[in-house]
Amino acid sequence: NAGVMQNPRHLVRRRGQEARLRCSPMKGHSHVYWYRQLPEEGLKFMVYLQKENIIDESGMPKERFSAEFPKEGPSILRIQQVVRGDSAAYFCASSPINSYGYTFGSGTRLTVV
Amino acid sequence: DAKTTQPNSMESNEEEPVHLPCNHSTISGTDYIHWYRQLPSQGPEYVIHGLTSNVNNRMASLAIAEDRKSSTLILHRATLRDAAVYYCILRDVSTGNQFYFGTGTSLTVIP
Repeated sequence: NAGVMQNPRHLVRRRGQEARLRCSPMKGHSHVYWYRQLPEEGLKFMVYLQKENIIDESGMPKERFSAEFPKEGPSILRIQQVVRGDSAAYFCASSPINSYGYTFGSGTRLTVV
Repeated sequence: DAKTTQPNSMESNEEEPVHLPCNHSTISGTDYIHWYRQLPSQGPEYVIHGLTSNVNNRMASLAIAEDRKSSTLILHRATLRDAAVYYCILRDVSTGNQFYFGTGTSLTVIP
């Protein structure tokens, strides 16, 4: 039973490029959450999705960031026109319905050069 | 979201018990107390959670004060692999499934 799979583990992008981060939840999990962790800081909630629905995007920056969780396939966090300040570790977590806890992936470390 | 307060850092000797405190004076009656930990370069992992009663599992114990305004995560015998940042989080599932992480306690285990 594979855990939450995130890819790529490391991603390097030049300023102005697009970054696409993928998250495959655990089997049977229908809820996905994305978090961002800046260097030396705690995790900040970004967005909470269920299949084909965004439930809460209160933590998403207003511009350049978007997320989706389609009926088939992984959840995608998309960052357009990346800037140096987007450099961070991005973690995805998943849970089944009405669960008390999450399972986190190992994260994608984005570096913008 | 109800806030939690934790010490920034703590140290423990290997194979000794560790008590990690958390204050949550504004906790509501429907808030569950959750603990996660994050090892270096990894995603957080679930440790334990509780509502009112003390809880035990294979990883740790959770002691919850009678008034629920504070709790303590207890690692019975610290190992080097327990060195991590420990997060105490309150969550009310009636208002959403999201966890909001604070800055946590960085635990150093001394061999």
